[in-house]
Amino acid sequence: ETGVTQTPRHLVMGMTNKKSLKCEQHLGHNAMYWYKQSAKKPLELMFVYNFKEQTENNSVPSRFSPECPNSSHLFLHLHTLQPEDSALYLCASSQGQGGNEKLFFGSGTQLSVL
Amino acid sequence: GENVEQHPSTLSVQEGDSAVIKCTYSDSASNYFPWYKQELGKRPQLIIDIRSNVGEKKDQRIAVTLNKTAKHFSLHITETQPEDSAVYFCAASIYNTDKLIFGTGTRLQVFP
Repeated sequence: ETGVTQTPRHLVMGMTNKKSLKCEQHLGHNAMYWYKQSAKKPLELMFVYNFKEQTENNSVPSRFSPECPNSSHLFLHLHTLQPEDSALYLCASSQGQGGNEKLFFGSGTQLSVL
Repeated sequence: GENVEQHPSTLSVQEGDSAVIKCTYSDSASNYFPWYKQELGKRPQLIIDIRSNVGEKKDQRIAVTLNKTAKHFSLHITETQPEDSAVYFCAASIYNTDKLIFGTGTRLQVFP
């Protein structure tokens, strides 16, 4: 167990639903991330939080809304998603600046948008 | 924009043979190059990384080489075993940001 826990593991939602993904890290890290993993595409960085402050928003549509209430918890709020948003959403954490530090990933949430 | 290209997309080897995966990057200021392994249905995990101040790093059967002039780096796995079968991702840092740019992955299959 890497110390990064994501819930739920699987999620099926309609395009009009609102849902949230949750991530919790027990490693004492300062930075947390959301990545999107689609088939045959590279891992795509969505958001980065350092000490609870958002430092990167990689041109993500506003239907994805992150929230980081403290350094241990990270949420991704979803609303009015599209079928092409179906993917594996991975949370990660690192001790320091993520561009130069080892990332610890969670197991991911497999999202299907109908 | 910055990108990382990774080849090959699939690689099949016989157990005991060596495997090599290559990546090129575009940002000449990149200074951190990790490799992640993702087994089927599991999370990506770091297996080895290298920083721009060294040209090679080894950890048992795994090694990474970096050529800063040519802007490419490679993963070498020797004496492959069936448990090495997985998808391997390379990545490169974007200078002075929290960003890592990942390659598209290489599916390695090691046949007994």
